[in-house]
Amino acid sequence: AQTVTQSQPEMSVQEAETVTLSCTYDTSESNYYLFWYKQPPSRQMILVIRQEAYKQQNATENRFSVNFQKAAKSFSLKISDSQLGDTAMYFCAFMKHEYEANSKLTFGKGITLSVRP
Amino acid sequence: DTGVSQNPRHKITKRGQNVTFRCDPISEHNRLYWYRQTLGQGPEFLTYFQNEAQLEKSRLLSDRFSAERPKGSFSTLEIQRTEQGDSAMYLCASSFSTVINGYTFGSGTRLTVV
Repeated sequence: AQTVTQSQPEMSVQEAETVTLSCTYDTSESNYYLFWYKQPPSRQMILVIRQEAYKQQNATENRFSVNFQKAAKSFSLKISDSQLGDTAMYFCAFMKHEYEANSKLTFGKGITLSVRP
Repeated sequence: DTGVSQNPRHKITKRGQNVTFRCDPISEHNRLYWYRQTLGQGPEFLTYFQNEAQLEKSRLLSDRFSAERPKGSFSTLEIQRTEQGDSAMYLCASSFSTVINGYTFGSGTRLTVV
């Protein structure tokens, strides 16, 4: 079974600064996907960024980038130039490779990020 | 298509009553998932469908829970004889079979059992 650990329950950052959210996971799989999801207050969960485990290059989406360390089973999210709209709960999630029959996500407990004006 | 739609948004029920939630996925998506999220926790997998076939159920899904997806379109999640421990946000999501792009989630149904 897979586990995802987000050990920081809360973080705060000043607007326009950079913040890094940590995530570690445990799996015996060699091929899998990792995701960061954002859940704003009272709003639906949306995908921020994804990483395929067989790709060594770290994924980047505009102000969001990841630091994927496969050997260390670490998958942190860096948010540059933080904006007030980034205030949300962020979840790290694991999924086995798509050819596995079950594409369920295993989530961490999440981290609440507050961006201060 | 406006995304994944869940109804109702909120449901308050008395302990022991039955409740049913509905999820309308994105029409092109053939996979549909149900997750449960309690306060301060990440979502936990309940069950998923490929078209109309229910392919896996979590051990979290006791015999009081049942889910259907007739004709591979919308899905319903029913909870019989609700208990206070069932109070949670119930999330629905849908995806293509190729899930590399992740899911699209609905806004959820918040259930409060009093």
